[in-house]
Parts: sequence; structure tokens; C-alpha cells
Amino acid sequence: DTEVTQTPKHLVMGMTNKKSLKCEQHMGHRAMYWYKQKAKKPPELMFVYSYEKLSINESVPSRFSPECPNSSLLNLHLHALQPEDSALYLCASSQDNIYRDPFFFGPGTRLTVL
Amino acid sequence: TQLLEQSPQFLSIQEGENLTVYCNSSSVFSSLQWYRQEPGEGPVLLVTVVTGGEVKKLKRLTFQFGDARKDSSLHITAAQPGDTGLYLCAGAVLEYGNKLVFGAGTILRVKS
Repeated sequence: DTEVTQTPKHLVMGMTNKKSLKCEQHMGHRAMYWYKQKAKKPPELMFVYSYEKLSINESVPSRFSPECPNSSLLNLHLHALQPEDSALYLCASSQDNIYRDPFFFGPGTRLTVL
Repeated sequence: TQLLEQSPQFLSIQEGENLTVYCNSSSVFSSLQWYRQEPGEGPVLLVTVVTGGEVKKLKRLTFQFGDARKDSSLHITAAQPGDTGLYLCAGAVLEYGNKLVFGAGTILRVKS
């Protein structure tokens, strides 16, 4: 199984809503990531978890809250988002070595904030 | 200034033509990866190169890593409409905490 799954595929939410994005991998990878991608732009790193601990937060606003309940799961909790937060949110995983190991990306969640 | 300069940004070619996409930096990379992404989907890893001068082939795609590990290229021979997509190079740089940094991407359109 070399797949990273993400749910939901699409999400529409208002600025006062609270929602969560989910990501799962069963490759035994110990590093997991959240990226944000705007149309026709490269992915931008948001958070990195290594061995279930948050190791990198790229100065992401607190309305985005990541969580890693176990080594296979990664969540991104959303609260009081702004319309400019609308984007494709990608989850990725890698074996454990951030700079050498290939990344496996999920299909993404297309988020629209009204 | 972007850490990874990718060129060209857009490429529209006819089926059967050859093309090359470049990825350049002034920094040395621990490793460099190439991805292909289709609209609405996540990037799919094509190749990882780690050794200076390395050449890898994937069917009609040839990847090169520069001797100094500061640049890379992706060459596609006899492009087909199925090659259409966004091609991204991504590298890890020690001085940037070894985070994976993406180039701006090349949008390739192959017309039949």
C-alpha cells in the first residue's frame, strides 16, 4: 500500500464554521506534512510532524491547528477561516528522513471558504 | 528570489516533440525530486536524485542531476498528450533546515 488518503475531497465552509481535514497512510512512514497549494502555484509547507511530534510550523495562523493522533493519521483542524484560505490542502508522508526520502502526496482536499 | 528557479513556466508543444525543463539554484541540494501533478490531484513523485552527475530514465523521461548538485533537468522525448500537467522540482537544502522546497513549476500542454 503506497497510498496517502485524504478526506474529504471537497469542503465548503463559512468563516464561523469548525471543520477538520483528515489524512491517513499505512506505509509505516514516520514523517507527515501539510501543504497548502493555490491554483497554478507550487505547494507551500505548513506543518511537519516527525515521529508524531510537531517539528516545523511555518508561521501558520492559529486558525489552522494540526494534530497527529498516531503514526498513521494526521488531522488539520480549521476554525474561523478567511476566504483567502481557500486552496488545495495536501497531505504528504515520507519514511523519516526529511531531506532524502521521497514524498508521497495524497490527492488533496479542495477547500472553499465563503 | 526563489531558492529553486524552474524554467520555462509554460510550455505548449505538439505531440511528438521533445522538451527540457530546468531547475536551478545557487545552493547545493542534499537531494532533488521531480513530481507531476494533474489538476485537482496531488503531486506524484517521478524520481529522486541524490548523487551529483546522476542520470535516471523513466520510459521517455530522462532526469539529470548536475555534478555540483545545484541544478537538474527533465527531458521528455516524443511528448504525448498524456504528459500534460504541472511538473514540479523540489529540493532539500541543508542551510534551510533540509525542508523540501518546491520550484514554481512548469505547466506543460501537449497538443495532439
